[in-house]
Amino acid sequence: NAGVTQTPKFQVLKTGQSMTLQCAQDMNHNSMYWYRQDPGMGLRLIYYSASEGTTDKGEVPNGYNVSRLNKREFSLRLESAAPSQTSVYFCASRPGRGLYGYTFGSGTRLTVV
Amino acid sequence: QQQVKQSPQSLIVQKGGISIINCAYENTAFDYFPWYQQFPGKGPALLIAIRPDVSEKKEGRFTISFNKSAKQFSLHIMDSQPGDSATYFCAASAPDNYGQNFVFGPGTRLSVLP
Repeated sequence: NAGVTQTPKFQVLKTGQSMTLQCAQDMNHNSMYWYRQDPGMGLRLIYYSASEGTTDKGEVPNGYNVSRLNKREFSLRLESAAPSQTSVYFCASRPGRGLYGYTFGSGTRLTVV
Repeated sequence: QQQVKQSPQSLIVQKGGISIINCAYENTAFDYFPWYQQFPGKGPALLIAIRPDVSEKKEGRFTISFNKSAKQFSLHIMDSQPGDSATYFCAASAPDNYGQNFVFGPGTRLSVLP
């Protein structure tokens, strides 16, 4: 019962480098989400995938791209990292539409220098 | 209209006391209001949730009070314990949102003193 698994847990990037954050869930959930968490800002939605085959922008999508590889996996890509993208990134999933809460992963702490 | 406001930003309570965290929203389409608990270094975890057709929901020491007319809801932690020390987030979602994304409050850092 792993739930939502995120890799890596920690990453340091230089400005301009690219990387992909991986997320996988084993709960057969339809919807998956990427949030970033910054001090005093709460959780802000970057991108989401309401169902396999669809992706949509959230509140703060600039500088990011996503891929819903299959029902289980939803990756977040930073093409050219910037210091403003230093944050903790959380992947979450939920069964789909309806009165369900999220299940979150344990997060990826990213520092861009 | 999508914003969820949360207060206080931080809260210090003595062991055995009552912790109260308040949230307010504007979007009357919101129909599901969960609270999440987050410990340092961990992802948020669903604590308790309520729908607007009930005014109160209790699970153990945790209670959500909901005031639909005022568009406010609050989390009460009775007999607060040091193990409750964490950051708490309120959230809301609307059924007309295709992804039914949650909007989160900025969080309240609770410290329960032994």
